[in-house]
Amino acid sequence: ETGVTQTPRHLVMGMTNKKSLKCEQHLGHNAMYWYKQSAKKPLELMFVYNFKEQTENNSVPSRFSPECPNSSHLFLHLHTLQPEDSALYLCASSRDAAKGYNEQFFGPGTRLTVL
Amino acid sequence: GQNIDQPTEMTATEGAIVQINCTYQTSGFNGLFWYQQHAGEAPTFLSYNVLDGLEEKGRFSSFLSRSKGYSYLLLKELQMKDSASYLCAVSDSNYQLIWGAGTKLIIKP
Repeated sequence: ETGVTQTPRHLVMGMTNKKSLKCEQHLGHNAMYWYKQSAKKPLELMFVYNFKEQTENNSVPSRFSPECPNSSHLFLHLHTLQPEDSALYLCASSRDAAKGYNEQFFGPGTRLTVL
Repeated sequence: GQNIDQPTEMTATEGAIVQINCTYQTSGFNGLFWYQQHAGEAPTFLSYNVLDGLEEKGRFSSFLSRSKGYSYLLLKELQMKDSASYLCAVSDSNYQLIWGAGTKLIIKP
């Protein structure tokens, strides 16, 4: 596989469920990101890992928990979500999160619906 | 606060030229990106500007004026496949990308 992959592509869960989103990059990058994309809103940066260290956590509720076991894999653990958390969750990677020219490569996203 | 403004939607005709504007106010500036996102797909990189001026890449060009906090993306010889959302994003003082809400471009035959 090439590029950035995400699984699952679609997820429907109840508010009491626990699930995890998975992202894998095959580009040899050192930075990985989780974004939330809601209709007609800007991309919201949730978490950033640079060289496996979490560098950003933009006031994300604790019901979202990231995990980055190595520079190629990123997880987003979900529990007790709310209906307003329904959105497209995008994973991205780049060479280095602390550089100006920092082209990010995105995965296809997970469409999450919380009932 | 930081914000990026771009039109919500634009319509253009196949074969024509369209300019999508982006204005920004950010804490610091380390470059401006344009991405294309087709419906249901991932955003893909189009261009990066860090110095003032015009960068041309095939049918697409991107312009930056740092003193005015302004950029535009120019698409020439429009094709139906150019129907997509175009996202403007600025790298701030912490190299974090601040994103606009995107401009949905509709191409009509």
